[in-house]
Amino acid sequence: AQTVTQSQPEMSVQEAETVTLSCTYDTSESDYYLFWYKQPPSRQMILVIRQEAYKQQNATENRFSVNFQKAAKSFSLKISDSQLGDAAMYFCAYGEETSGSRLTFGEGTQLTVNP
Amino acid sequence: GAGVSQSPSNKVTEKGKDVELRCDPISGHTALYWYRQRLGQGLEFLIYFQGNSAPDKSGLPSDRFSAERTGESVSTLTIQRTQQEDSAVYLCASSPGSNQPQHFGDGTRLSIL
Repeated sequence: AQTVTQSQPEMSVQEAETVTLSCTYDTSESDYYLFWYKQPPSRQMILVIRQEAYKQQNATENRFSVNFQKAAKSFSLKISDSQLGDAAMYFCAYGEETSGSRLTFGEGTQLTVNP
Repeated sequence: GAGVSQSPSNKVTEKGKDVELRCDPISGHTALYWYRQRLGQGLEFLIYFQGNSAPDKSGLPSDRFSAERTGESVSTLTIQRTQQEDSAVYLCASSPGSNQPQHFGDGTRLSIL
């Protein structure tokens, strides 16, 4: 079974600084997708960024970028120029097309942004 | 509405009662997913619908849990004879198809007394 591990239960960053959230996963598949979702206190899960495993280029979305290391099964999220609104729980998730893309989530990292 | 809608937002019920949770996906989204999130934890997959069929029910924790979907529209998740360990937030997501990004609702917070 696929597993996703987020080894940092909590992280903090100063406003305008950069922070990196770690994620590792375990799979025997070669085709899959990886995601970072953000969950503020409102509970809604918001997609931050998506990476297809077949793409070598790291995905970027404005201030958010990933470092995808397929051989190492690592998928970290970098947030640049952190803003107060970035404070939330961040979840790393894994999905496969062959399983209908049901997502397997990590335990989450609670990010605090200090003014 | 533009997003995934779930109702009720909060539900408090007594142990042993049945509950029904509702999800209205984004119009046109053929895939629909239910997840459970216990306090302080990540999301656990429960069931996946493609149209009104459920090719993957492997995440349902027991036979007290069931779900159905009408066409490519509303889905209901039913929990019979609720137990305290069923207390969690139940999240629904939909997507245009499998392998497309999932859009989540705000969830239903279920509390079993």
